[in-house]
Amino acid sequence: DSGVTQTPKHLITATGQRVTLRCSPRSGDLSVYWYQQSLDQGLQFLIQYYNGEERAKGNILERFSAQQFPDLHSELNLSSLELGDSALYFCASSVVSWPNTGELFFGEGSRLTVL
Amino acid sequence: QKEVEQDPGPLSVPEGAIVSLNCTYSNSAFQYFMWYRQYSRKGPELLMYTYSSGNKEDGRFTAQVDKSSKYISLFIRDSQPSDSATYLCADSGGSEKLVFGKGTKLTVNP
Repeated sequence: DSGVTQTPKHLITATGQRVTLRCSPRSGDLSVYWYQQSLDQGLQFLIQYYNGEERAKGNILERFSAQQFPDLHSELNLSSLELGDSALYFCASSVVSWPNTGELFFGEGSRLTVL
Repeated sequence: QKEVEQDPGPLSVPEGAIVSLNCTYSNSAFQYFMWYRQYSRKGPELLMYTYSSGNKEDGRFTAQVDKSSKYISLFIRDSQPSDSATYLCADSGGSEKLVFGKGTKLTVNP
């Protein structure tokens, strides 16, 4: 158990809908990262927050947004969903932001299926 | 654009075999590399990390970086069925985000 909690574990929805994925980082970790994993693209970095502030942005679509709250939990909002958004979404946390020692602790992921 | 290319596999070996997993990186100023292991239906977990060039050993696992060829390797000795997983290499490059390879799925057959 990494200590990172993600909900929901599975989500099935329709195209055009909006969903929210939630992440609680490990106790004491200030950084939260969101990754998308699909078979053809692998693990793609979406966005990172550190202590409530956005620190780095990756291949995140404009239809997607995220935030980190004062209690350090984070939410990833996916809107106007398309079939291609079906993937595993991982949240990870770490103590520090930079230099990045690479030790990210991943949750078990939220599997999103868009029909 | 920082990229990490990884042999796609899948790789299937008999128990006890020596496994070699490889990645190449395109551009990393910081040269800090990691190997993550991901079991089916689980999140990735850090297996090993290594900085710059050379080898790092941890039990049956050895991570190797060759700066001249921009090659990252993970060797598993005496492979076990419990090693069956997807192995992801990652490059930090001094930034706040890790760039992952697409992963190599390894199956170790009893």
